[in-house]
Amino acid sequence: GAGVSQTPSNKVTEKGKYVELRCDPISGHTALYWYRQSLGQGPEFLIYFQGTGAADDSGLPNDRFFAVRPEGSVSTLKIQRTERGDSAVYLCASSLTSGGPKNIQYFGAGTRLSVL
Amino acid sequence: AQKITQTQPGMFVQEKEAVTLDCTYDTSDQSYGLFWYKQPSSGEMIFLIYQGSYDEQNATEGRYSLNFQKARKSANLVISASQLGDSAMYFCAMREALYNFNKFYFGSGTKLNVKP
Repeated sequence: GAGVSQTPSNKVTEKGKYVELRCDPISGHTALYWYRQSLGQGPEFLIYFQGTGAADDSGLPNDRFFAVRPEGSVSTLKIQRTERGDSAVYLCASSLTSGGPKNIQYFGAGTRLSVL
Repeated sequence: AQKITQTQPGMFVQEKEAVTLDCTYDTSDQSYGLFWYKQPSSGEMIFLIYQGSYDEQNATEGRYSLNFQKARKSANLVISASQLGDSAMYFCAMREALYNFNKFYFGSGTKLNVKP
């Protein structure tokens, strides 16, 4: 079946603009995660959804970042007033359920965001 | 303190030989899960292998095995019979019971190059 799909694959924007990044998880997966990967680093946790609700948003760097998952499937990561430091690859992952040490997260190919 | 430490930024291995990628972790939790992911240049994180903190035997998945030394808090990945397609970034990651296993902590990765 289809894996995690992220669109767009690349996004170039100007400083101060608003962007939306979309994630379409694997069908039937109730848990969804967003990570940010800066150049040369491992991914860093941003936010986790169980169903429609954000169960843990402790990784969002500031209030310019916001994410929604209104119907418990597709999620959108929204970044307001983008800054050059927001440039990174934004990865989305989904899993069948949440919790448990062995719960495997399946990742999309990411959206590469470049803020000029 | 870093939760996951990968001390090898880059590694070279000859095709068909075995290679070990190092990973040490830091947690005070008794229950946790350790993972290895592969990230080829396409960007997608591919799950390779999982080791639970209570598992008594080292995990194996095909050519991948995990050398788990709990007292030393290390979880090294061993790839046997390296193939050219193994060239990629490799990330070690951990999930803890403290955070309901919901967020991954990733290391900074090791870039593996397999030489023909």
